[in-house]
Amino acid sequence: QKEVEQNSGPLSVPEGAIASLNCTYSDRGSQSFFWYRQYSGKSPELIMSIYSNGDKEDGRFTAQLNKASQYVSLLIRDSQPSDSATYLCAVRRETDFQKLVFGTGTRLLVSP
Amino acid sequence: DAGVTQSPTHLIKTRGQQVTLRCSPKSGHDTVSWYQQALGQGPQFIFQYYEEEERQRGNFPDRFSGHQFPNYSSELNVNALLLGDSALYLCASSLDSPYEQYFGPGTRLTVT
Repeated sequence: QKEVEQNSGPLSVPEGAIASLNCTYSDRGSQSFFWYRQYSGKSPELIMSIYSNGDKEDGRFTAQLNKASQYVSLLIRDSQPSDSATYLCAVRRETDFQKLVFGTGTRLLVSP
Repeated sequence: DAGVTQSPTHLIKTRGQQVTLRCSPKSGHDTVSWYQQALGQGPQFIFQYYEEEERQRGNFPDRFSGHQFPNYSSELNVNALLLGDSALYLCASSLDSPYEQYFGPGTRLTVT
């Protein structure tokens, strides 16, 4: 079982729709959760962090965390073609909190 | 406000050679982490430097070593390069854990 799992996609949504990206993690002691966006050939860019159960909103982005289910998600409202990228979920565990453990990412395609 | 910078952008080396990659953290950040990202994978943690000491190390061989300077900049050294070392090498800076990590543009290393 991978520590952080994501569906590799691609997830295809039309422009203006809501894109829902999901991530599960195996270590119940995980403390912090992050979503990064990575365009092809570029480095990851931090878009959201979430530390406690519930929802956290920032503009068109909403991160949702459910520690009991070991599940974190990212919703992108009013999706734009410029949102087409790979979205990486990263987790920081309690036991070795210096490092981030990444999933393999979900590729999102937003069609005009 | 300058972000994380890395040099060089691209590098081509031959098997068995040695390489040094450089990173300057975001202004105000004191912690540098290095990650390796193979094609189609999420970044894998190599190690983290804080106060000029290696604080944590991922599952990488001793061929991978690093250094942090008093101005918080850092180097990653890889000896005896293998074809499998070809990847995007990412530097991330942060304030001391557990704050968010911000990535530089990366160095694309190709080993032939």
